[in-house]
Amino acid sequence: GQNIDQPTEMTATEGAIVQINCTYQTSGFNGLFWYQQHAGEAPTFLSYNVLDGLEEKGRFSSFLSRSKGYSYLLLKELQMKDSASYLCAVRGSTLGRLYFGRGTQLTVWP
Amino acid sequence: DAGVTQSPTHLIKTRGQQVTLRCSPKSGHDTVSWYQQALGQGPQFIFQYYEEEERQRGNFPDRFSGHQFPNYSSELNVNALLLGDSALYLCASSLRGSTDTQYFGPGTRLTVL
Repeated sequence: GQNIDQPTEMTATEGAIVQINCTYQTSGFNGLFWYQQHAGEAPTFLSYNVLDGLEEKGRFSSFLSRSKGYSYLLLKELQMKDSASYLCAVRGSTLGRLYFGRGTQLTVWP
Repeated sequence: DAGVTQSPTHLIKTRGQQVTLRCSPKSGHDTVSWYQQALGQGPQFIFQYYEEEERQRGNFPDRFSGHQFPNYSSELNVNALLLGDSALYLCASSLRGSTDTQYFGPGTRLTVL
């Protein structure tokens, strides 16, 4: 089966840095995605990793280690608007289908 | 550049009824995937359409069916609605290829009473 695991909740203060971890066990691997989802809205694409290493995009960075089945999303200079659910998703052995974790609800306090 | 659009935004149905949800993909995209997201859960894959055919299917019963039209838009049909079908239904579009990043529409909130 497929298993994507991430913490349920995290809190942080404005201006801080937060790291959201994701571990996965899937029958195949063809890329890992991070999405942001505000309450009642659609997931918004943040990042994509298919090779080991760090991908940086502004205040957001994502890291992947395929041998460890591990990824993290790093958010810097947190803002109130970053309060949202962050979804880790793995594309398995075939194109298209994504397996999602339950999401990590991040709350940013002033 | 129009993003993914879905209709309707909200829908209320009763048990046993049938529902049709619609999705128009992002401009230039040719593949549509449907997901069901229950409250507090991550999206669960229902199926994917490419070249007007169902290419992959998740663990959903035959009550869930779909269609893709020549203009790449898609419909999701659910028959014999159950209370447990209440969820946010998300459509995601992508361009068949190496990265195949999926972009989501705003979703349809279905409530079954």
